[in-house]
Amino acid sequence: DAGVIQSPRHEVTEMGQEVTLRCKPISGHDYLFWYRQTMMRGLELLIYFNNNVPIDDSGMPEDRFSAKMPNASFSTLKIQPSEPRDSAVYFCASSSTLYIRAESEPEAFFGQGTRLTVV
Amino acid sequence: KQEVTQIPAALSVPEGENLVLNCSFTDSAIYNLQWFRQDPGKGLTSLLLIQSSQREQTSGRLNASLDKSSGRSTLYIAASQPGDSATYLCAVRPRGYSTLTFGKGTMLLVSP
Repeated sequence: DAGVIQSPRHEVTEMGQEVTLRCKPISGHDYLFWYRQTMMRGLELLIYFNNNVPIDDSGMPEDRFSAKMPNASFSTLKIQPSEPRDSAVYFCASSSTLYIRAESEPEAFFGQGTRLTVV
Repeated sequence: KQEVTQIPAALSVPEGENLVLNCSFTDSAIYNLQWFRQDPGKGLTSLLLIQSSQREQTSGRLNASLDKSSGRSTLYIAASQPGDSATYLCAVRPRGYSTLTFGKGTMLLVSP
């Protein structure tokens, strides 16, 4: 498997524009997580899905952020309208229920991230 | 709410030194603790996972310990090399949760 695939790797956009980040989890993984990383706050969980259903979106900063998982192999994180304070690296990660319950395997596998710059 | 703190925030050492990175967490009710490595512009790579019932895990030159009662973990790197230069992140999985809570990381620079 190629691992968790995120696109684009880099995104520069103007304030007010819509931004869509994409993620393809590892095949067979039923958990998908979206994290945001900044220097000030470190890695923060935004939202996670189980079997394509959003379970906890309490980390989504505001209504400008939305996430979807239309099928087991694809998820999007959308920011509309974008603001300069949204500039960060956004990571997607996926995991298997087997891993979580067994407590004997790594929690999740991370993508390489999307570096978002809003000017 | 679980909080994870890593000290120091940055560390610079000459090649060959043994070093210790520290991680503390506020709530001892955890499933496990995990150490990750992050290279610039890259994602996270899992280094070691310690279950709540374990005291330590070893992989090559890396050794991670866990003292759940005191809410502390250390990552020991023996005979550091320039290739070890990266940011090291500590994360815990609180009981009852499917997600990880991360520290802000320690940025390590090993100079030749």
